[in-house]
Amino acid sequence: DQQVKQNSPSLSVQEGRISILNCDYTNSMFDYFLWYKKYPAEGPTFLISISSIKDKNEDGRFTVFLNKSAKHLSLHIVPSQPGDSAVYFCAASAAGYTGANSKLTFGKGITLSVRP
Amino acid sequence: GAVVSQHPSWVICKSGTSVKIECRSLDFQATTMFWYRQFPKQSLMLMATSNEGSKATYEQGVEKDKFLINHASLTLSTLTVTSAHPEDSSFYICSANPGLRTYNEQFFGPGTRLTVL
Repeated sequence: DQQVKQNSPSLSVQEGRISILNCDYTNSMFDYFLWYKKYPAEGPTFLISISSIKDKNEDGRFTVFLNKSAKHLSLHIVPSQPGDSAVYFCAASAAGYTGANSKLTFGKGITLSVRP
Repeated sequence: GAVVSQHPSWVICKSGTSVKIECRSLDFQATTMFWYRQFPKQSLMLMATSNEGSKATYEQGVEKDKFLINHASLTLSTLTVTSAHPEDSSFYICSANPGLRTYNEQFFGPGTRLTVL
């Protein structure tokens, strides 16, 4: 049972345009969501997160939107740059700061390619 | 930011041998660390949660006796793959949670590529 779904395996975008990466979840206990970026043979790097008490969080070129009623979140990258080409993972966690409650459930990832 | 290291970055071993992978938090103390494995083009699958000073919590389907986890200090967790077989070949990644300082944000190590011949 996949609780975090990234249904599109890949996305190709022209440099300078907007990249929109989507993520859906099924577990209503999730209350914190994160996006990670990963290059091959490296560990994921934290990008941006959002708490369920918000519907938007922005950090530079990255904005995450959360629609709780639809159990859907999206990551917007504007403007997209070739260096953004990587695999992006959506992750979610249930309430709790430390211990087992803070484990993350990951989606399968989306491969983003930004064309120069 | 928080830095997590892993050692070794890659290892090749013969079938039947045991391999130990270390995960260290370099500039913070981590009461909780996590171990994941990733198959090619697949998601990160959580294997176990490592808690300092207590037994690890394994996810369903993960063999406790095969994947031994020791979290002996606040900066070090080790994963030992015992009697490794070719199907254990994978990319193993650890992460650490600094705790209250950053809500649920995990910092990942660079990963360890295990190849079992």
